[in-house]
Amino acid sequence: DGGITQSPKYLFRKEGQNVTLSCEQNLNHDAMYWYRQDPGQGLRLIYYSQIVNDFQKGDIAEGYSVSREKKESFPLTVTSAQKNPTAFYLCAIAQGAGGYTFGSGTRLTVV
Amino acid sequence: KQEVTQIPAALSVPEGENLVLNCSFTDSAIYNLQWFRQDPGKGLTSLLLIQSSQREQTSGRLNASLDKSSGRSTLYIAASQPGDSATYLCAVLLNAGGTSYGKLTFGQGTILTVHP
Repeated sequence: DGGITQSPKYLFRKEGQNVTLSCEQNLNHDAMYWYRQDPGQGLRLIYYSQIVNDFQKGDIAEGYSVSREKKESFPLTVTSAQKNPTAFYLCAIAQGAGGYTFGSGTRLTVV
Repeated sequence: KQEVTQIPAALSVPEGENLVLNCSFTDSAIYNLQWFRQDPGKGLTSLLLIQSSQREQTSGRLNASLDKSSGRSTLYIAASQPGDSATYLCAVLLNAGGTSYGKLTFGQGTILTVHP
């Protein structure tokens, strides 16, 4: 995964529960991103962070929260306010002129 | 708002054929364009990255072209193999004041199946 580690690979959430997806990178890059992928809808941006202690909402931020306390880590919390959380979640880093690199993803399912 | 469209949505070909995947975008003020491959249940693997000043990039059997003025890119796969079967995604990065740290906009992908 080019130095990006997402965990867990599979995650199950009960109704009303908050869950946190992990994204760690050892490539020393500033910009990190979270995308959601649904069948037939492509990838949509949830949140992104270009520097430690700062982050911005993407196109579908409602029901999600993030933190960026360390350069290496950008965890995503799916809150109970997200009514349709079942999806494949992908974390990415921006390598400047080198383009983007993605992690292997976390598949979240509501049970 | 940037919109990215990929045609066809799905493609099925016999092994050995040369094929072309198409990507179009509405805002030509892009910083770069990137082609990815995604296998079922996996993350995205970068195939080719074309900067806005470039016309094409090549890697092995893959060749990607970029025509910024017309808002189009093509991914050419030569001598296709069953192992090429995957979803191919095109993504563009808008030129946000010269920075490369904007957000990618993705097409919905082309599902390619190569039959033995």
